Amino acid sequence: KAGVTQTPRYLIKTRGQQVTLSCSPISGHRSVSWYQQTPGQGLQFLFEYFSETQRNKGNFPGRFSGRQFSNSRSEMNVSTLELGDSALYLCASSLGQGGANYGYTFGSGTRLTVV
Amino acid sequence: DAKTTQPPSMDCAEGRAANLPCNHSTISGNEYVYWYRQIHSQGPQYIIHGLKNNETNEMASLIITEDRKSSTLILPHATLRDTAVYYCIVRSPSGFQKLVFGTGTRLLVSP
Repeated sequence: KAGVTQTPRYLIKTRGQQVTLSCSPISGHRSVSWYQQTPGQGLQFLFEYFSETQRNKGNFPGRFSGRQFSNSRSEMNVSTLELGDSALYLCASSLGQGGANYGYTFGSGTRLTVV
Repeated sequence: DAKTTQPPSMDCAEGRAANLPCNHSTISGNEYVYWYRQIHSQGPQYIIHGLKNNETNEMASLIITEDRKSSTLILPHATLRDTAVYYCIVRSPSGFQKLVFGTGTRLLVSP
């Protein structure tokens, strides 16, 4: 079966711009989470969605937002990009609520570079 | 902050068992131990999880001490493709608890 698909794989943006990243979970998975990975901070939780509702949110500024659609696909948006937003953005999906008994399946990520 | 402590790096010879330790002395009664790994340039991969009993799947075995304050992930016959960063995570399975990744253990499997 198809895994978690993230698009685009690579992205270069300029400071001040905004960006939208997309995530298609595994078919049947209803939980989608987003993580940011940087060399300095490691893997940091952004937010989790289940049934189109944000269920948990990490400690990121309001410039980071997301949403989930009725087909479970999810997008995250970062507005007013800063150089420090350069990172690998990972999406993960799970069959159960919050990845309880099945673990999360991660995509390969979108590498965002802000110049 | 991560609730686990892992050695920063370990080496293992190909074909030998790799035993990766994790300390989680403050684990709560309802929290599970999860293991993920991340191979370079890929997203983390779920390996296994457990509550208090030992668990085994096609990838690995998880041994949790009786007091649940530590655990060991065992890769029975390590291959070069097992070279990765391994993360031990303690988390409640209920609700929408985030995965808190620490710095993990960088396992290097050599020929």
